[in-house]
Amino acid sequence: QKEVEQDPGPLSVPEGAIVSLNCTYSNSAFQYFMWYRQYSRKGPELLMYTYSSGNKEDGRFTAQVDKSSKYISLFIRDSQPSDSATYLCAMRAPMNYGGSQGNLIFGKGTKLSVKP
Amino acid sequence: DTAVSQTPKYLVTQMGNDKSIKCEQNLGHDTMYWYKQDSKKFLKIMFSYNNKELIINETVPNRFSPKSPDKAHLNLHINSLELGDSAVYFCASSQDRAGGGQGYTFGSGTRLTVV
Repeated sequence: QKEVEQDPGPLSVPEGAIVSLNCTYSNSAFQYFMWYRQYSRKGPELLMYTYSSGNKEDGRFTAQVDKSSKYISLFIRDSQPSDSATYLCAMRAPMNYGGSQGNLIFGKGTKLSVKP
Repeated sequence: DTAVSQTPKYLVTQMGNDKSIKCEQNLGHDTMYWYKQDSKKFLKIMFSYNNKELIINETVPNRFSPKSPDKAHLNLHINSLELGDSAVYFCASSQDRAGGGQGYTFGSGTRLTVV
């Protein structure tokens, strides 16, 4: 099993829809969870950063972490065409925990298209 | 003012050539990284430097050699390029080895095509 699994999509939704993006992971040592957005031919940019379990909200975006299920989600409310991009989850263990070097491990990304 | 800048943006070269990609960050970060993104968009770490010192060296052919002249710069030199090296190479930086509270900041990538 890969360390981080993410459905690559593509996912196509109408403007205004609620989008749910998810990742599962296998390493229980992961404690830091991130979502990156990557537009075509650009570098990934950090959207949300969460530590351990719980919810974090930032505008139309909500990141959710369920460590017991090893499952993280990103919700986008009132989705806009400008949200069309690839969304990558990323996570890491603390430095030197179980041999970890603190690398960020990325999911493969989900390509989202929001149609006007 | 670009935070993490890479040059060149595009690189097309023949098999067997040697090429370099340069990266500079003006964020004052201590740690810099090279990631490779393949055609399926999978991002995989190659190297990490903390304050000019190599701290991560994943299983990468030794044709790839990083060099950090100072903590604001991390270059990647590739010898004897192969077709399979075609990918987008991203430079990134973070406040410290632990990634800080802000995650990583990525450059816009160098699209390498080996023909």
